[in-house]
Amino acid sequence: GDSVTQMEGPVTLSEEAFLTINCTYTATGYPSLFWYVQYPGEGLQLLLKATKADDKGSNKGFEATYRKETTSFHLEKGSVQVSDSAVYFCALSMISGTYKYIFGTGTRLKVLA
Amino acid sequence: EAGVVQSPRYKIIEKKQPVAFWCNPISGHNTLYWYLQNLGQGPELLIRYENEEAVDDSQLPKDRFSAERLKGVDSTLKIQPAELGDSAVYLCASSPGGGSTDTQYFGPGTRLTVL
Repeated sequence: GDSVTQMEGPVTLSEEAFLTINCTYTATGYPSLFWYVQYPGEGLQLLLKATKADDKGSNKGFEATYRKETTSFHLEKGSVQVSDSAVYFCALSMISGTYKYIFGTGTRLKVLA
Repeated sequence: EAGVVQSPRYKIIEKKQPVAFWCNPISGHNTLYWYLQNLGQGPELLIRYENEEAVDDSQLPKDRFSAERLKGVDSTLKIQPAELGDSAVYLCASSPGGGSTDTQYFGPGTRLTVL
């Protein structure tokens, strides 16, 4: 069935390090792909999205490219900050018979000063 | 602009008791979603409304869960009776439309503990 797989956390990095959080998906249709972030004590909020193959979503220094050939949507940031510490969720959305919105299990990021 | 409002933020009940969660979406958002999030997991969609119509409730355990969105604005999710396994965070989200490319805006959630 349709699914989203993220790398397990926690991921612990020093400030200014390069970040990659892997996300792969399985889908029978043509999904839109999302990264949501959940800061401590807050609700989920959209970080970026891409709605078709080869699209790149970007926001706040984060980027992810929709790769249909590898069914991936990896999240990257060149230089993380302590304020980026949060839980990151990869998700897909599509209408294939029924509406589907599927989240990964989340990856916790800790950035140390 | 006010975000998605949920109440209560926390609820502790004993098993077999009823419980209800309330959600007020962002003004003008026609689509409303209820999710269940277990500890260490991603949200799982329970039900989706387009205005006042439940258009996708295939994941809602209908033997004990019910939901309504009267007048197509705010919504209530109810569990009766609650079981130990229902302990989780219940999230509400809304979006302007119901398309697959739409961004969803989430509330802070209601954390339910069933004793």
